[in-house]
Amino acid sequence: GAGVSQSPSNKVTEKGKDVELRCDPISGHTALYWYRQRLGQGLEFLIYFQGNSAPDKSGLPSDRFSAERTGESVSTLTIQRTQQEDSAVYLCASSLEPVDTQYFGPGTRLTVL
Amino acid sequence: AQSVSQHNHHVILSEAASLELGCNYSYGGTVNLFWYVQYPGQHLQLLLKYFSGDPLVKGIKGFEAEFIKSKFSFNLRKPSVQWSDTAEYFCAVKGGSQGNLIFGKGTKLSVKP
Repeated sequence: GAGVSQSPSNKVTEKGKDVELRCDPISGHTALYWYRQRLGQGLEFLIYFQGNSAPDKSGLPSDRFSAERTGESVSTLTIQRTQQEDSAVYLCASSLEPVDTQYFGPGTRLTVL
Repeated sequence: AQSVSQHNHHVILSEAASLELGCNYSYGGTVNLFWYVQYPGQHLQLLLKYFSGDPLVKGIKGFEAEFIKSKFSFNLRKPSVQWSDTAEYFCAVKGGSQGNLIFGKGTKLSVKP
């Protein structure tokens, strides 16, 4: 079946602009995660949605970062007033239940000039 | 705070050599452990996982990993690597009721034909 999809695949923006990144999880997966991977680093957890529960935002690095999820479907990660240090690959993952394996999308490569 | 350490940043091997990639984690409770692989130009995909039971776990493509609780380790092994194993390998841990994964920084494996 279809895997996790993300759009856009690449985004170049100017410092100070806002960006929106989209994630379509695998159908039926209740849990959705956002991570980011900066150059030479491992994946860093950002935010986690589980069903209709309040999201776990403990990984968001600043209040410029926010995310929403509509029910158990699409999620949007928004970065306001982008900074150069926000340049990274942003990865989305979903799992059937929180205890299950997480399946990753291809990522969005964000470059802030 | 939980953390995952991968001891090798870049490993270079010749085909048919044996592989062992180290992974240590810090978390005192029950953990789920994962190895993910990212082949050049591809998504992160699951190589193998440990939830409970036999601490020797077998994954895809001939990989295996051994969970040693006393050493907080989950090392990845393969008896004979192939050129197609060239990729970046990430160890990850999920502890207790936490939803997100904590990743190591990754180990890049280059296999010379």
